Amino acid sequence: GAVVSQHPSRVICKSGTSVKIECRSLDFQATTMFWYRQFPKQSLMLMATSNEGSKATYEQGVEKDKFLINHASLTLSTLTVTSAHPEDSSFYICSATGLAGGINEQFFGPGTRLTVL
Amino acid sequence: SQKIEQNSEALNIQEGKTATLTCNYTNYSPAYLQWYRQDPGRGPVFLLLIRENEKEKRKERLKVTFDTTLKQSLFHITASQPADSATYLCALVDSSASKIIFGSGTRLSIRP
Repeated sequence: GAVVSQHPSRVICKSGTSVKIECRSLDFQATTMFWYRQFPKQSLMLMATSNEGSKATYEQGVEKDKFLINHASLTLSTLTVTSAHPEDSSFYICSATGLAGGINEQFFGPGTRLTVL
Repeated sequence: SQKIEQNSEALNIQEGKTATLTCNYTNYSPAYLQWYRQDPGRGPVFLLLIRENEKEKRKERLKVTFDTTLKQSLFHITASQPADSATYLCALVDSSASKIIFGSGTRLSIRP
């Protein structure tokens, strides 16, 4: 089956620093990748949708200058949290759809736990 | 306003019984509804999808129903086992088919 990985799985950083999270599709080409954020005991909230080679589409209320998304290849998307603050501490999850699959065939990564001190 | 609600934050049942989880939505017209399992500290894992023109879908011990009149989906696990303990998320594909919207989940605990 299709596998999506994320790196790192956990990251702790100081307030004001930037953190990059990678999302890779390991055995398929991902035309579209999605980034979600999940706070404890809450649902996954879509942050942005990114298509390979084009700018990401951000959901309402998500600051595009704070959450930089790059989808430079069909197997890699990155999310950079710039000038992170404690309120950015959350569980970040990516998902990907392949060339043949549509919205219903999203494969999720294992998530990245970000803690900002 | 648009909402997708899973009625129980937590459900605790005896091993061997059938677990039934509820998902209700408001002001959506989804073409598809999905159910996922999420373990602590992990990403969601897809379980089942049901289309708007389907009433019921089964997969092994899992059964999903979809009632577009009631705007509700029910998720059943029969012969439940402690290994079924997890959070279960329902999600719908919005009418533009451009994104998935998740409910907040129901934490299911199966006691031996």
